[in-house]
Amino acid sequence: GAGVSQSPSNKVTEKGKDVELRCDPISGHTALYWYRQSLGQGLEFLIYFQGNSAPDKSGLPSDRFSAERTGGSVSTLTIQRTQQEDSAVYLCASSFSRDGPYEQYFGPGTRLTVT
Amino acid sequence: AQSVTQLGSHVSVSEGALVLLRCNYSSSVPPYLFWYVQYPNQGLQLLLKYTTGATLVKGINGFEAEFKKSETSFHLTKPSAHMSDAAEYFCAVDRGGGFKTIFGAGTRLFVKA
Repeated sequence: GAGVSQSPSNKVTEKGKDVELRCDPISGHTALYWYRQSLGQGLEFLIYFQGNSAPDKSGLPSDRFSAERTGGSVSTLTIQRTQQEDSAVYLCASSFSRDGPYEQYFGPGTRLTVT
Repeated sequence: AQSVTQLGSHVSVSEGALVLLRCNYSSSVPPYLFWYVQYPNQGLQLLLKYTTGATLVKGINGFEAEFKKSETSFHLTKPSAHMSDAAEYFCAVDRGGGFKTIFGAGTRLFVKA
């Protein structure tokens, strides 16, 4: 079946512009995560959606970052007024984590470059 | 609170040698434990997981890990490294019940010919 998809695969933007990154999780998965991975670094947790519960936003690095998940499916991560330090690969993952635990299925990522 | 510590950000082994990647966790409840692998320019994929039952877990590509509660460890091993094993490996802990999974910082494995 279809896996997690992310778009765009690559995004180059100028400093100060806003960007939107999209994640299409696996159908039926109740949990959705966003992570950031800077060059040569580990995973940095950004935000976690679980069903209809309020999202865990504890990893968002600043108020320039926001995310929403519409209809419990597609999610959009928005970065406003991008800065060069925002350059990274943004990974999305989903899992069927109701009573849990279930493994996360990762998308291929969006490589964001801020010039 | 949960946490995961991976000892060694970089590990280098010779082809054919034993691979040992260390992971220690902290959890207030019985944990569920995972190892993921990330090949260059790809997303992460599951190698293996421990939920309940047998403490020695076998995964893909000849990897296995043993859950040792007394040592709060979940080390990943492979008897004989292959060049294709060169990748980044992440250990993760989950307490279930809808709480988010916690990832370690990752260990990059280099395999020398």
